[in-house]
Amino acid sequence: EVQLVETGGGLVQPGKSLKLTCATSGFTFSNAWMHWVRQSPEKQLEWVAQIKAKSNNYATYYAESVKGRFTISRDDSKSSVYLQMNSLKEEDTAIYYCTVSNAWGQGASVTVSS
Amino acid sequence: DIQLTQSPSTLPASLGERVTISCRASQSISNSLNWYQQKPDGTVKRLIYSTSTLESGVPSRFSGSGSGTDYSLSISSLESEDFAMYYCLQYATYPLTFGSGTKLEIK
Repeated sequence: EVQLVETGGGLVQPGKSLKLTCATSGFTFSNAWMHWVRQSPEKQLEWVAQIKAKSNNYATYYAESVKGRFTISRDDSKSSVYLQMNSLKEEDTAIYYCTVSNAWGQGASVTVSS
Repeated sequence: DIQLTQSPSTLPASLGERVTISCRASQSISNSLNWYQQKPDGTVKRLIYSTSTLESGVPSRFSGSGSGTDYSLSISSLESEDFAMYYCLQYATYPLTFGSGTKLEIK
């Protein structure tokens, strides 16, 4: 069974940083293309970032709204994907989901507020 | 960016009814479209990928169709567990984009 578990969410002040972790199991992580997707309080889904596999040179892609502030990375030895979020803004407040193919995690809540 | 216009935003329907949700892209996406269901507890499930391929384990009352810029998700006979939010996603080009969602609610 595919499992994705996001951790690292919380309340953070604007301008600060936070790192999300997605621990996975149940599939061949090293071959997988991983995504982060977020859902705003208004329930709109927004794709955030993608990282491809080693065979694709770990290519990364970002939404314009997070480019230069967020970094997606992965550790194939730990079957985990990460989202480093810097210079956080109030509009980054959302539930952050880790996804692969047909599976989604349960989400991690990030609130950016002073 | 490719915009996805999803309609209706809210769809009141009755048990046993057939419903259709539309997703229109701002340019051709060559069948690169998925449909997702989200339950009130936040759980997200992919129902259909590549426009019309049913995900394993998804009931056959769900179906997807379309081409070019126009796509749709149909549910042939609504059951109680189908009342949820539905979103389309295009992956033809970066950035990937979602529709704004359709809330399927009990009439």
